[in-house]
Parts: sequence; structure tokens; C-alpha cells
Amino acid sequence: AQSVSQHNHHVILSEAASLELGCNYSYGGTVNLFWYVQYPGQHLQLLLKYFSGDPLVKGIKGFEAEFIKSKFSFNLRKPSVQWSDTAEYFCAVTHTGGFKTIFGAGTRLFVKA
Amino acid sequence: DTAVSQTPKYLVTQMGNDKSIKCEQNLGHDTMYWYKQDSKKFLKIMFSYNNKELIINETVPNRFSPKSPDKAHLNLHINSLELGDSAVYFCASSQESAGGNSPLHFGNGTRLTVT
Repeated sequence: AQSVSQHNHHVILSEAASLELGCNYSYGGTVNLFWYVQYPGQHLQLLLKYFSGDPLVKGIKGFEAEFIKSKFSFNLRKPSVQWSDTAEYFCAVTHTGGFKTIFGAGTRLFVKA
Repeated sequence: DTAVSQTPKYLVTQMGNDKSIKCEQNLGHDTMYWYKQDSKKFLKIMFSYNNKELIINETVPNRFSPKSPDKAHLNLHINSLELGDSAVYFCASSQESAGGNSPLHFGNGTRLTVT
């Protein structure tokens, strides 16, 4: 069965620090990968997505993620976080042609001003 | 011009009651979903409808019954509510004819509290 694993459950950073959130998935076929963000009290919004092509994808608000097929990973990065990045971050995967998006358990990021 | 809207935003009710949550999307998407987010923020898919046809029905108690009158609407009815049903329920939609590439668009959630 497909699964998504996010290694960090809680991350606390100071403003301007660099961020990397880990995500690994288990599925042998072709996958589509996503990162969603949920700001406090809000719904989930898409940060970025990968379907094919350049494994380094750029999303909104300065976020990027790198797909490493050999490691089944899709880590999220941001060079310099801001206080407004405080949120819950979810990695998600679907397989091509599938209707089901599987989410990781989420990583709660708190950025200290 | 809200893309995915669900009502109500908050729902407080007693055990044993029956309640419904409504969801509508104006994105023209062909697939709609219900997700449950528990107190630890874990998101689990419950149901998915594609062109009004049920295609995903996870291991959800049969007290939960989705209904999709048309492609733009997906409602969730819950019978005999239990304490463990307390959670935030998110409606979402996507265009699955894109072959799994389409991201999910979420509603603002319905926070259900069962007392």
C-alpha cells in the first residue's frame, strides 16, 4: 500500500534560518508529488507539485522541492524562513491515473520572530 | 467567488444526533472528496466521487453516507454521532481526467464537535 512518511513532526526555527522538511513515499510506480501548507485555522493550500521533468520544482513563497527517485524522496526547502511561514506542512502523493491522494502526517513549523 | 465552499463552518451537537455537511465547488472539477483531519492534524480520505459515481470508500463506518446530486456538490450525512467523530472535515475537489496530476482544492473545513 502507498504511504508517505514525514520525518519531522515539529520544527522550530528562527527567522532567516534555512528549512528542509523530509518526505519519503513508498510506491514503485510513477507518482505525482505535492506539498501543501495549512496556516493556523485555515484550509490546505498547494505549495508546489511535481509530475515529470526537472526534479527541482519551485513553488509559491520561495519554497522549492527536489524529487530524488532513487531515494523515493521529495524534500521541501526554503533558504530563509519568515515568521509568516509558521504553519503545518503536508507531503502528499498520488500515482498516475489514481484518484487517491495519500498524505503524510504533517510537520508543524514554528518560526520565531 | 469561493472555489470550494462547505457549510457549516462549525457544528456542535450531542451524541446520537444526525447531522449533515454540505459542499459545493465552482471550479468545474469532475471529482470531489471528503477528508477527515483528527486532532493530531492527520488527514485521512473518507470518500471520493468522480462524475457523481462513488470511487473511493475507505474503511469508514456506515453511519457516514455521502451523497453527490451532481458533479458540483458532495454532501456528507452522519447518523448517530459519536464522540470519536469530533474532527475537522474537509471537502476537496480536483480534475482527475488529468490523470492524477491535478492538485486538490480544499474547502475551509467544518469543525465538528460531538459532546
